[in-house]
Amino acid sequence: GAGVSQSPRYKVAKRGQDVALRCDPISGHVSLFWYQQALGQGPEFLTYFQNEAQLDKSGLPSDRFFAERPEGSVSTLKIQRTQQEDSAVYLCASSAGTGLSGELFFGEGSRLTVL
Amino acid sequence: GESVGLHLPTLSVQEGDNSIINCAYSNSASDYFIWYKQESGKGPQFIIDIRSNMDKRQGQRVTVLLNKTVKHLSLQIAATQPGDSAVYFCAETENDYKLSFGAGTTVTVRA
Repeated sequence: GAGVSQSPRYKVAKRGQDVALRCDPISGHVSLFWYQQALGQGPEFLTYFQNEAQLDKSGLPSDRFFAERPEGSVSTLKIQRTQQEDSAVYLCASSAGTGLSGELFFGEGSRLTVL
Repeated sequence: GESVGLHLPTLSVQEGDNSIINCAYSNSASDYFIWYKQESGKGPQFIIDIRSNMDKRQGQRVTVLLNKTVKHLSLQIAATQPGDSAVYFCAETENDYKLSFGAGTTVTVRA
């Protein structure tokens, strides 16, 4: 498809399990963002990549969260030893230029439920 | 910390009427603002944006107003349609990449 693709769409994990969420941005998009959206809230910034470089990871809640984009295309958000407070929708977005110089396109999100 | 917020969590509007959604922000350094629409089960979708050197911008059926003096942003939707039912977020940034979103306003259009 032509949009941002995220997988899995839904993930149920037991507390303590590790999870990996994948984002396929729009082809050729330079910038990639991860946001966390708790139920009934607005998205919260997690991290920003420009090509393969992670320029800002200040929003990652703890050192259990790790994101990578090794070849400047697909990105993976990994959460180790999941906790109940990690339950949220994780949104990926991409833009053609640097930062918000172009329109930001969001994927449909990966809904994580930690039991 | 500073944050972006919305005055009202819900808005019910009659089909065909105009809608006004308000947003207050507290970061005086913010210089770029974006309105997003989010339908259930989907990611936010860009509606319209405005930079701090402007006070009004119009799109198709939508207008964004920015009042920097009182740090207030509004989104006006003309002739509201059933397809406009969604959650609307304002977002702001001071560094052109890190967006801060408000909590959102749920708009329900009555037929």
